[in-house]
Order: sequence, then structure tokens, then C-alpha cells
Amino acid sequence: GEDVEQSLFLSVREGDSSVINCTYTDSSSTYLYWYKQEPGAGLQLLTYIFSNMDMKQDQRLTVLLNKKDKHLSLRIADTQTGDSAIYFCAESGNSGNTPLVFGKGTRLSVIA
Amino acid sequence: GAVVSQHPSRVICKSGTSVKIECRSLDFQATTMFWYRQFPKKSLMLMATSNEGSKATYEQGVEKDKFLINHASLTLSTLTVTSAHPEDSSFYICSARAGGSSNQPQHFGDGTRLSIL
Repeated sequence: GEDVEQSLFLSVREGDSSVINCTYTDSSSTYLYWYKQEPGAGLQLLTYIFSNMDMKQDQRLTVLLNKKDKHLSLRIADTQTGDSAIYFCAESGNSGNTPLVFGKGTRLSVIA
Repeated sequence: GAVVSQHPSRVICKSGTSVKIECRSLDFQATTMFWYRQFPKKSLMLMATSNEGSKATYEQGVEKDKFLINHASLTLSTLTVTSAHPEDSSFYICSARAGGSSNQPQHFGDGTRLSIL
């Protein structure tokens, strides 16, 4: 079945850039997503990229997609302490009823 | 933007109680809603896919009679944990997707923390 892998932990200093990586297996994925979860909260949609795009930038966030290698990354520029959270990578199938497949989440810790 | 409201945010109750959790899409119609369970420091585990006007599709290992799902309208799905026991204590999160195609992202509620004593 489909699988999404991501590293579990990342620690960066405030002001540096953070890069969170993700690999997936389903080549038919239509969209790939990044969600942010703060402690005790639900998931907040950060950004998503259509599978025929290579890059998407939204303010401090840059998403890169290498469809050939099935590799997705999220870069956070000028990382702030408020960016500390768990970041989930997810892929969708090509059907409206297909649930997202999530990675296990990367816990980002920002050191002041 | 799309908002999903989940209620209640926190429930503490005695063993044997049934608990209903509501998931509402506030500014869009959701033909499909999903219910997840999240254990501490773990990823989300999909419990079931809820389609408006039809029966929910449960994932393997999820008891249908234990976790009752109703999706009676395009803006509301409910999850009822029947005769809850301490092992049902968890963080339950719903999400909703507008329309019927995968080009609409899933939007998540803020979750319900269920604690069974």
C-alpha cells in the first residue's frame, strides 16, 4: 500500500532555515500536503502542491517536489520559535473518497 | 478559508458512558469527512471515511458498533463512542473535504481529547 516516510526530529536555531523532507510511494498522488500540528491542537493546512508542479512558494514556506524520486520537502525560512510543532507530510490519491496518507510527522524544535 | 469546527474540545467521563463528537464544516459543503484517532506522540490513524447520505467505510480493526458515525447533512458528521472504556481515551480529529474530487484539500478540526475514567 501507499507509504509516506519522514524523519522524526529536526532541531534548528532561531533565524536559520529549516528543511523537512518526505518521501512517498504512490506515483498516482494528485496533491501533496504539509500540515502543522501544535501541542493539543488539530492539524493546520500549511500548503499543498499539485503533482505537476516542481515548486511552490508562500511567504516563508517553500515546497519542492521531485516527482521522479517521489521526494517532497518543506523549507521554512527565518525559522521562529512559534514554528516549533510537528509537521506532517501527506499524499492524496486521485479519487475524492481516498483519504490522505500521512507520514509519522517531524517534530521541529527551534532553539532561541 | 475553509473552517472545520469540532465539538467538544475536551470530554472527561466515566467508563460506560457514550460520547458524541460533532464535526461541522462552517463555510463549505463536505461530501466526505474523515475521522482519525491520534495516540500520544504518534501519527494519525484513520478510523473511517464518512460520506453524506450513506454508510461510513471503516478501516480494518475499527469496530463499527463501537464507533458509530452519522453523516446526515453536507455540513455535519458525528462520531459516537458507545459504552466508552479507558482504552478508548485518545485524541479524535475529524477532517472535511469539499466537493468530490481529490483536488480539494482536507481541512481539520481542532480535535477532541477524550478521557475515560
